[in-house]
Amino acid sequence: DAKTTQPTSMDCAEGRAANLPCNHSTISGNEYVYWYRQIHSQGPQYIIHGLKNNETNEMASLIITEDRKSSTLILPHATLRDTAVYYCIVERPMDSNYQLIWGAGTKLIIKP
Amino acid sequence: GAGVSQSPSNKVTEKGKDVELRCDPISGHTALYWYRQSLGQGLEFLIYFQGNSAPDKSGLPSDRFSAERTGGSVSTLTIQRTQQEDSAVYLCASSLLFGGNEQFFGPGTRLTVL
Repeated sequence: DAKTTQPTSMDCAEGRAANLPCNHSTISGNEYVYWYRQIHSQGPQYIIHGLKNNETNEMASLIITEDRKSSTLILPHATLRDTAVYYCIVERPMDSNYQLIWGAGTKLIIKP
Repeated sequence: GAGVSQSPSNKVTEKGKDVELRCDPISGHTALYWYRQSLGQGLEFLIYFQGNSAPDKSGLPSDRFSAERTGGSVSTLTIQRTQQEDSAVYLCASSLLFGGNEQFFGPGTRLTVL
């Protein structure tokens, strides 16, 4: 199963773009990259996911490198409410030995 | 309700007691997942259900842990003879289908074993 590596923590100024990197060098061709975030004392919240192409939704953009070994989550205009732990995980769909492996995530602190 | 619900929200128990944690997924979601999160740590995947079936139970920490799902809806995670190291937040999530879908998480059950 593909594992992910993320920086332990990052700071970003309010109003700036927050760019969160993730390495998943052992990812397989059918594994999706997912991003979730967890605000203190709450359950994780889905942000975005992708397979090969870059993706954008109302929350964020996901940039996946051509070799799929790394990705970057972009929060275009960070607000104080974006302070959270951000998890990058890979998911293998429809696999009977399916397991999700969550790392420790990146603690993103948005500063005024 | 509209979201995933879990009960109880908090559970304090004595070492050696059995506990049952309940998860009500979003109606119509066929996949259900259980995770454990220790303080300051990431999520540890425990088990998932497709319908009422759990194809892989190898993520459960020990044979004191078991889970079932009936009627393709409510799931129960049971921990027998609890130990202090079982103290954690137990999170449940559901998704419309298994794989390739976002998971919706409940608020979790905080278990404290004294």
